[in-house]
Amino acid sequence: EPEVTQTPSHQVTQMGQEVILRCVPISNHLYFYWYRQILGQKVEFLVSFYNNEISEKSEIFDDQFSVERPDGSNFTLKIRSTKLEDSAMYFCASSEGGSQETQYFGPGTRLLVL
Amino acid sequence: AQSVTQLDSQVPVFEEAPVELRCNYSSSVSVYLFWYVQYPNQGLQLLLKYLSGSTLVKGINGFEAEFNKSQTSFHLRKPSVHISDTAEYFCAVSVKFSGGYNKLIFGAGTRLAVHP
Repeated sequence: EPEVTQTPSHQVTQMGQEVILRCVPISNHLYFYWYRQILGQKVEFLVSFYNNEISEKSEIFDDQFSVERPDGSNFTLKIRSTKLEDSAMYFCASSEGGSQETQYFGPGTRLLVL
Repeated sequence: AQSVTQLDSQVPVFEEAPVELRCNYSSSVSVYLFWYVQYPNQGLQLLLKYLSGSTLVKGINGFEAEFNKSQTSFHLRKPSVHISDTAEYFCAVSVKFSGGYNKLIFGAGTRLAVHP
């Protein structure tokens, strides 16, 4: 069964450093998403991406964040200058279609900013 | 604005007992509702979803949920749980954008602990 994959599974970085989280969505999916979950808190929507552009972003998704689909398979989330409060589990998701379609989630990347 | 409330942060239960995990949502528009499960060190897996039609929806692993519009609830049930059902369960509502996209708004999660 096709699945969403994410790398790395864990990443530790120093405050102020740039990190890139990688995701490979399911191959025939057209909509891509990033969510995050700070320890002990809810899973929160960050951004959705369709047709090579951001379709919606949350208040959390400020100028420090960017997303890209650099090739036909990868979908990346970049944090330019990490802060302590960026420590969280980051989930990538993809869906075949839009509003009614199920979003399939990857296993997540646990980011720790020191 | 849409929101999701999961009333129980933890639910301990004995094996083979029934369980209900509660979820209430608030929304001024029609919603799509989902339950996801997260096993330890894994991603979020869809258990079931309500889009329209029958208010009782069946999902994987013997789970089912009932959509109750008047009570704005979408409680998850299983008549007999197994040890392997121990996991975190998330209720979510789908918010539709004008372009047809959606984002999921999640509840805080309920940790189901099944004991022998």
